[in-house]
Amino acid sequence: NAGVTQTPKFQVLKTGQSMTLQCAQDMNHEYMSWYRQDPGMGLRLIHYSVGAGITDQGEVPNGYNVSRSTTEDFPLRLLSAAPSQTSVYFCASLAGGTNYGYTFGSGTRLTVV
Amino acid sequence: GDSVTQMEGPVTLSEEAFLTINCTYTATGYPSLFWYVQYPGEGLQLLLKATKADDKGSNKGFEATYRKETTSFHLEKGSVQVSDSAVYFCALKNTGNQFYFGTGTSLTVIP
Repeated sequence: NAGVTQTPKFQVLKTGQSMTLQCAQDMNHEYMSWYRQDPGMGLRLIHYSVGAGITDQGEVPNGYNVSRSTTEDFPLRLLSAAPSQTSVYFCASLAGGTNYGYTFGSGTRLTVV
Repeated sequence: GDSVTQMEGPVTLSEEAFLTINCTYTATGYPSLFWYVQYPGEGLQLLLKATKADDKGSNKGFEATYRKETTSFHLEKGSVQVSDSAVYFCALKNTGNQFYFGTGTSLTVIP
């Protein structure tokens, strides 16, 4: 029972570099999301997907791209990293129906210098 | 729009003290309500949930009651332990499966 797996756990980037944060779930959940967590601001939604081939923007999408080619995987791409993207990133997936909550990954701590 | 407001922290309590973390929400329709807990260096874990008015969610000694009349979902525990030290997030999920999180309340329990 892996749940939601995020890699890497830690990453340091230089300004302008690009990278992909990986997220995979093995629960056959249709709904997946990416959040960033910053001190005093809680969790803010970056992008989400309601199923393979379907993605949409959340509250803070600028500077990030996503794709959802399979149910299992939902990678987050930083196109040109900026210091403002220093944060902890969480991927989460959601079972169908109204009675369930998110299952979260353990997070990726990203520092952009 | 939908939103969640929760008590600012940090909160520091002695072991065996009573805990209340306030949470109120704004939403149209009938959202589901959740409390998540985040231990240091980890992701958020579902602590408890309630899906309709007057439901009480409970887990590990924590409780919260869905109060539609006061739009609240306050988290309570009768006797906290050092191991309860964590950040607690209140959240709602609306009928469109959109989640809204509070800003989190940090709890430290001292022996």
